[in-house]
Amino acid sequence: AQSVSQHNHHVILSEAASLELGCNYSYGGTVNLFWYVQYPGQHLQLLLKYFSGDPLVKGIKGFEAEFIKSKFSFNLRKPSVQWSDTAEYFCAVNQPPDKLIFGTGTRLQVFP
Amino acid sequence: SQTIHQWPATLVQPVGSPLSLECTVEGTSNPNLYWYRQAAGRGLQLLFYSVGIGQISSEVPQNLSASRPQDRQFILSSKKLLLSDSGFYLCAWRIGGGSGELFFGEGSRLTVL
Repeated sequence: AQSVSQHNHHVILSEAASLELGCNYSYGGTVNLFWYVQYPGQHLQLLLKYFSGDPLVKGIKGFEAEFIKSKFSFNLRKPSVQWSDTAEYFCAVNQPPDKLIFGTGTRLQVFP
Repeated sequence: SQTIHQWPATLVQPVGSPLSLECTVEGTSNPNLYWYRQAAGRGLQLLFYSVGIGQISSEVPQNLSASRPQDRQFILSSKKLLLSDSGFYLCAWRIGGGSGELFFGEGSRLTVL
């Protein structure tokens, strides 16, 4: 069975620091990869996704993620975080055709 | 525009009682529908998903079941609740599978006493 691992459970940063959140998956076939974000008190929403082509994906609010097939990874990055990025971040993988599974999430706290 | 409604928002039930959580999507046809349970430190656990009326895929063998009686309706049920069923349940929809974006409902908080 496919699994998704997020190794960072809780990350604390100061504003302007760089961010990288790890995501590894176990499925060996063609995958679609996602990062979702849940801001405090809000619904989960899509941050970015990869489905084909350029392995470097740009998302909303300055986030990007790189798909490295050989490492089964899809790490999320942002060069300079803001206080408003405080949220919980979830990596997700679609196992074809329709099964979408999520990782355990990473809680990010950004201090001014 | 598409919307998703989930109810009830909160529910307190005794152990051994039945459960019915309902989810309805508006503004789209033939969506894929999903039930997840969200718990702190455990992320979103996929419980069930459905690609069409009457078609249910179960991911976690447990005390819960799901049904899809209509195209845009997805119901999560239990005949007898356990303490371990307490949690935050999220319904979600998307068009197709693959790279389709998932849209979430507001969730249902279930407390089993």
